[in-house]
Amino acid sequence: DAMVIQNPRYQVTQFGKPVTLSCSQTLNHNVMYWYQQKSSQAPKLLFHYYDKDFNNEADTPDNFQSRRPNTSFCFLDIRSPGLGDAAMYLCATSRNSRGLQETQYFGPGTRLLVL
Amino acid sequence: GENVGLHLPTLSVQEGDNSIINCAYSNSASDYFIWYKQESGKGPQFIIDIRSNMDKRQGQRVTVLLNKTVKHLSLQIAATQPGDSAVYFCAGSGGGADGLTFGKGTHLIIQP
Repeated sequence: DAMVIQNPRYQVTQFGKPVTLSCSQTLNHNVMYWYQQKSSQAPKLLFHYYDKDFNNEADTPDNFQSRRPNTSFCFLDIRSPGLGDAAMYLCATSRNSRGLQETQYFGPGTRLLVL
Repeated sequence: GENVGLHLPTLSVQEGDNSIINCAYSNSASDYFIWYKQESGKGPQFIIDIRSNMDKRQGQRVTVLLNKTVKHLSLQIAATQPGDSAVYFCAGSGGGADGLTFGKGTHLIIQP
């Protein structure tokens, strides 16, 4: 049973054309994360939501935005994708954070291709 | 932030042998570590975790060892199987950070 769902699994967009990736979870977890993973590299945290509280990593480009309309859904918006944004985008959830030691559960990822 | 890195990018072992994957971290405030397995085209899959108040934890065929003195942890996989072939990441959290910091990954290859 899928707990963290990402759609679509593959997304093709054009250079500069806005794109939105989606993530949903059935775990009722408070925290949702977005990671970027480039080929043969480790996942890198972009930002996360603790409930409705948005937390951006210092080195995340302004080109990347996120929305969380409710507990279950979280979106990653790339306003003007560049060739360097081609990557796997991973969504993860955890029950809590803020210093509590929590496992993060990952979705299958969306692979983004920028033409 | 925390720096978590792996020593070897690729590890090849014979099926049935035991494997050990190593990881070093730099942030002494890190208090929670996870090993993930990632197969090609899939998201990271939780394997086992360990908190800083422990130095060993065992699961099914896997053992994680934590040495806080030298800031090192390892993942031991016993009796490796073809399905163990994947990239293995260590990840750590703590020191006030909410997200995980991942190491570079080790590609484990199980040879028949």
